[in-house]
Amino acid sequence: GAVVSQHPSWVICKSGTSVKIECRSLDFQATTMFWYRQFPKQSLMLMATSNEGSKATYEQGVEKDKFLINHASLTLSTLTVTSAHPEDSSFYICSARSAQETQYFGPGTRLLVL
Amino acid sequence: QKEVEQNSGPLSVPEGAIASLNCTYSDRGSQSFFWYRQYSGKSPELIMSIYSNGDKEDGRFTAQLNKASQYVSLLIRDSQPSDSATYLCAVPIYNFNKFYFGSGTKLNVKP
Repeated sequence: GAVVSQHPSWVICKSGTSVKIECRSLDFQATTMFWYRQFPKQSLMLMATSNEGSKATYEQGVEKDKFLINHASLTLSTLTVTSAHPEDSSFYICSARSAQETQYFGPGTRLLVL
Repeated sequence: QKEVEQNSGPLSVPEGAIASLNCTYSDRGSQSFFWYRQYSGKSPELIMSIYSNGDKEDGRFTAQLNKASQYVSLLIRDSQPSDSATYLCAVPIYNFNKFYFGSGTKLNVKP
């Protein structure tokens, strides 16, 4: 199956700093990538949809200036959590949509903001 | 009404039994359906997809689709403790630019 990677797999940072998470589709081109957040024992929450070469579409309630998304190529999307605070601590998961219209998930990034 | 609904469970079955996971969706125009498995602390992984009415089998997994009833299910035969996870049903919309996920059904397979 298609492989999606994320880097880093976990990160600990101080409050007020920015954190960048990379999502790569390794063996296919993804015109669309998705960013999700998941808190413990809760459902996946879609944050934004990222299309290559265009601005991301954010879900209601997600601050676009706080969660910056860049999808500069068909294999790479990045999510930057700006001025992170403890309430931003979560499990961030990206996914990529293949040409066969299937969504494949990355392994996720655990963010802990102290 | 949510776009995709699943019973949150937990669903407990003994090892070796058949586990039946169900999902209903609201958009009658939906054409594609996906099942994902998510182990605790991990990201979802694709199990299988189904597009046509009827059954689709892949190893111990069988997906069943009934578009008239807007119902898709996943059967797991010979359930193993390693199948214990949360199973997510997903339905794409808007030309696959968005996927609606159910809240997931937690399955416990007891040895």
